[in-house]
Amino acid sequence: QKEVEQNSGPLSVPEGAIASLNCTYSDRGSQSFFWYRQYSGKSPELIMSIYSNGDKEDGRFTAQLNKASQYVSLLIRDSQPSDSATYLCAVQPQGAQKLVFGQGTRLTINP
Amino acid sequence: GAVVSQHPSWVICKSGTSVKIECRSLDFQATTMFWYRQFPKQSLMLMATSNEGSKATYEQGVEKDKFLINHASLTLSTLTVTSAHPEDSSFYICSASLTTLNTGELFFGEGSRLTVL
Repeated sequence: QKEVEQNSGPLSVPEGAIASLNCTYSDRGSQSFFWYRQYSGKSPELIMSIYSNGDKEDGRFTAQLNKASQYVSLLIRDSQPSDSATYLCAVQPQGAQKLVFGQGTRLTINP
Repeated sequence: GAVVSQHPSWVICKSGTSVKIECRSLDFQATTMFWYRQFPKQSLMLMATSNEGSKATYEQGVEKDKFLINHASLTLSTLTVTSAHPEDSSFYICSASLTTLNTGELFFGEGSRLTVL
């Protein structure tokens, strides 16, 4: 079982709709969770961080964390073509400084 | 946010040569930096954790004698790919965390694309 799992996609969403990205993780003791966006040929940039159960909203982005079910999700409202990228879920295992990344979900927003 | 800078952004070298990649934290001190590698259409795989003033901690399967890491100061870590071969061609990305915040958030450099001929 991979430490962090994501559906690799591609996920196609019409412009203006809600894009939903999901991620599961195996280390139940993990405390810190992140969503990064990576454009082709570029390095990842942080979109959201979440540390406690529930929802966290920042503009058009909402991160959701459910530690009991070991999943974290990212919702993108009013999707724009500029949101087209690969979205990486990252988890910090318990007691570790490093982040473990999922394989990423490639998202395409269709005008 | 914190700024991490990598150099060079891309490099082409001949098989058997060595290549050095630099990673600098520009506006903060980084006691720990992380080196990741990413092959096309794959995710980031951690190669090693670089600790200032001590030996790096390598992930399983990463050859420490081939990928030399030096973290001599709080703002600079270097990765040297020794005797590079075509299979080492990849996107190498360094990152650092703000240890004072202890949030786990990583700030990434721009990445260095290595092509070995």
